[in-house]
Amino acid sequence: DVKVTQSSRYLVKRTGEKVFLECVQDMDHENMFWYRQDPGLGLRLIYFSYDVKMKEKGDIPEGYSVSREKKERFSLILESASTNQTSMYLCASSLQLWEKLFFGSGTQLSVL
Amino acid sequence: QQQVKQSPQSLIVQKGGISIINCAYENTAFDYFPWYQQFPGKGPALLIAIRPDVSEKKEGRFTISFNKSAKQFSLHIMDSQPGDSATYFCAALRGGNNRKLIWGLGTSLAVNP
Repeated sequence: DVKVTQSSRYLVKRTGEKVFLECVQDMDHENMFWYRQDPGLGLRLIYFSYDVKMKEKGDIPEGYSVSREKKERFSLILESASTNQTSMYLCASSLQLWEKLFFGSGTQLSVL
Repeated sequence: QQQVKQSPQSLIVQKGGISIINCAYENTAFDYFPWYQQFPGKGPALLIAIRPDVSEKKEGRFTISFNKSAKQFSLHIMDSQPGDSATYFCAALRGGNNRKLIWGLGTSLAVNP
């Protein structure tokens, strides 16, 4: 089975801090995604990557950046965390872009 | 602008009943329609998916019905079980040069024992 591992289940940070969310997949998938999930708003795409060092903005990239230096690892960076970035962050990977996404268990980030 | 509208927002069904979740899309250029299931504390997982060249796909107790002319697709869960209690998301893959997965907002299903 594909395993997508997110480094932290819960994270508490202060406003203004730089935050790194790490995601690793073990199935050699080309494509990786970062979503945030908020009650009533569903899943919103932040960034995705279809190859190493390649990245594309999603629907809500403001305040975020990403890094993909290795195929198996996709990092989400909050340059200066703000309270409105308190959310559940979900990483996913797929062999075929947009089809059969495998999600990690998520990181619940609280920015105080 | 939401292109995939999912209903209902929440649903309560008795054990053994049929759960029905509906999605409607606003653009004809979608070519793949997956449903994802999410349990509390977990990420979503692909449940079942359909392409527009078929009108129905069944996997066990889960069936997708697809109506191309009405631009609607639905998930039916037959003989619903308490273990089916989860949040269900429909999605649609927009075709063309700007391919992207468009998500519904989710349906919280509770199956009472």
